[in-house]
Amino acid sequence: GAVVSQHPSRVICKSGTSVKIECRSLDFQATTMFWYRQFPKQSLMLMATSNEGSKATYEQGVEKDKFLINHASLTLSTLTVTSAHPEDSSFYICSAPGTGYSNQPQHFGDGTRLSIL
Amino acid sequence: GIQVEQSPPDLILQEGANSTLRCNFSDSVNNLQWFHQNPWGQLINLFYIPSGTKQNGRLSATTVATERYSLLYISSSQTTDSGVYFCAVAPGLTFGKGTLLTVNP
Repeated sequence: GAVVSQHPSRVICKSGTSVKIECRSLDFQATTMFWYRQFPKQSLMLMATSNEGSKATYEQGVEKDKFLINHASLTLSTLTVTSAHPEDSSFYICSAPGTGYSNQPQHFGDGTRLSIL
Repeated sequence: GIQVEQSPPDLILQEGANSTLRCNFSDSVNNLQWFHQNPWGQLINLFYIPSGTKQNGRLSATTVATERYSLLYISSSQTTDSGVYFCAVAPGLTFGKGTLLTVNP
């Protein structure tokens, strides 16, 4: 089945550091990928839609200059949290539709737990 | 945007009991999935079920798209079923707030 790999699984770093998270579709191509954020004991919130070869689409309230998304190939999307601060500490998770279309099952990475000291 | 409501928010069961989790959504959807989030945060895909009924072992799900709801049935619950169950719909995905299930031995 479709597999999405997310790396790293955990990051602990100092305030002011920029952190890059990778999301790869291992056995299929994904023209679209999605990024979510989950705070403790809360649900997942869609942050942005990553589009291969074009700009990402951000949800309302998500700062595009803070969360940089690059989708340079059909199998890789990256999320960079720039100048991270403690309030950016969260669980970040990506997904991709298995056949490349948004109305197909979404396959999720295992998530990245980000802790900013 | 589309609203997704899950009920109940919390559910405590004794091992062996059956349960039904509900997901209501406010508009037409072209994708509905049920997930189980384990203690490590991994989302385990249970069902992709925009309509109809599916079964997988002790779990089954039914979506009535015309009435905008989906149900997840868990039979003969086990302690390993504990965790948060999410319903999510497309476009988006938009997630409900989840049901925290605790199964006691």
